[in-house]
Amino acid sequence: EVHLLESGGNLVQPGGSLRLSCAASGFTFSNYAMSWVRQAPGKGLEWVAMISADGDRTYYANSVEGRLTISRDNSKSVLYLQMNRLRAEDTAVYYCAKERWELLGGNWFYYGMDVWGQGTTVAVSS
Amino acid sequence: SSELTQDPAVSVAVGQTVRITCRGDSLRRHYASWYQQRPGQAPVLVIDATNNRPLGIPDRFSGSSSGDTGSLTITGAQAEDEADYYCNSRDSGGNHRVFGGGTKLTVL
Repeated sequence: EVHLLESGGNLVQPGGSLRLSCAASGFTFSNYAMSWVRQAPGKGLEWVAMISADGDRTYYANSVEGRLTISRDNSKSVLYLQMNRLRAEDTAVYYCAKERWELLGGNWFYYGMDVWGQGTTVAVSS
Repeated sequence: SSELTQDPAVSVAVGQTVRITCRGDSLRRHYASWYQQRPGQAPVLVIDATNNRPLGIPDRFSGSSSGDTGSLTITGAQAEDEADYYCNSRDSGGNHRVFGGGTKLTVL
C-alpha cells in the first residue's frame, strides 16, 4: 500500500527552526517529484515547495522562499522540509504529497498530487 | 498569474447535480486537478488533470475544462460528499503549483 507519514511538527518560538520529515513506502520514491502543502487553521490549502524526483530542482512559494528548504534522501525514501526563521503565519498543518507526472504526446504532463500524508502540525508562538 | 478562483460555498440537495468551478489564467495552459477534504482529514484526489477518476472514486464525480475554467461535477450528490473541494494546477510559468481557495459543499 502506498503510504506517506509526516513527523516533526511541534510548538516553536518565532525565529526558531524545525525539520519536518515524510517517510514514503509502497512505491519507488526516487521516481516521483514531491511537494509540501500546508493549511493554516480554518484556511485553505497552500502549496509550499516541490522537489524533482532526483532532487536537482526545487521550487518555493514566495511566502517561504529563503526560509524553508525542501530536500530528499532517495536512499531512505524520506522527504524533508527544513524550516528556519519561523513566523506566526507559518502555523499550519503540513502535508507531504506525491506528484504524478506522465509522458503524454512527448511532453511531461502534471496529473496532480495523488497520495497525501495525514499531516503534521507546526505551531509558531511565544 | 498564479491565482485560481473558486466560489467559497455551494449547496445541493441530495440526489441533485452540482458543479464547482475553478478559474484562472494558468488554466489556459495547464489543467486542474480536484481534491476533496473532509473535516479533520487529509485531502484526497478525486479528479486528476486529465479529468479521470483515481481508483476508488465514485463515478458520480467528473471533471471538465474550457478556456480558463475547470469544473468538477457531482451527479447525484450524496450526504457523504459534503466537504471542502480544492482545485490545483501549475502556475503560468509551470514550475510552481497553485491551489484555489476552496469551495465548501453543503448537501441538503
